[in-house]
Amino acid sequence: DAGITQSPRYKITETGRQVTLMCHQTWSHSYMFWYRQDLGHGLRLIYYSAAADITDKGEVPDGYVVSRSKTENFPLTLESATRSQTSVYFCASSESKGSGGADEQFFGPGTRLTVL
Amino acid sequence: SQQGEEDPQALSIQEGENATMNCSYKTSINNLQWYRQNSGRGLVHLILIRSNEREKHSGRLRVTLDTSKKSSSLLITASRAADTASYFCATSQGGSEKLVFGKGTKLTVNP
Repeated sequence: DAGITQSPRYKITETGRQVTLMCHQTWSHSYMFWYRQDLGHGLRLIYYSAAADITDKGEVPDGYVVSRSKTENFPLTLESATRSQTSVYFCASSESKGSGGADEQFFGPGTRLTVL
Repeated sequence: SQQGEEDPQALSIQEGENATMNCSYKTSINNLQWYRQNSGRGLVHLILIRSNEREKHSGRLRVTLDTSKKSSSLLITASRAADTASYFCATSQGGSEKLVFGKGTKLTVNP
């Protein structure tokens, strides 16, 4: 199906475990983003990627690792999960049209992660 | 740190009324975007207004931008129960594709 998908949709894990959240888009958008959404903080950017093999930190990157070996996939890994990483995680993608500003972003349905 | 701040944090109105949400930001922008998020879902793009534009319409949505006051407003006319959602503004700065989101306004439209 066309669009942007995330898996799993729900995940419960324990402190110290490694967790990988998957994101897949079918539009061949060059840019992909990972956000976390927490009450009182809105959406905060964790990492983003301009193209395959090009990634950069966002506002809250500590404790997270990303990779992008293929344009369509952008996995987010929590190397050693902590309770403070309990959140809803959203992946998004955008097509850079070179308009001089950010283009609209298309969001996945989110992954609700609970770290016990 | 948040660039945009929406006001009010929560808004409750009756069906048929208009809803106005405001967004203030701190630094110069290339464009400002509004998104909607239904409960438990991802964000959906509504409208983008560039820094050289003052007003934009899309269906029942009207967005204004005042760069001198560093503020934007989103007006939803003749609201419906289906408009119940959280609304976020997001700003684009410099040549970056990154957006900085505000904390959102939670709109409830009562039937």
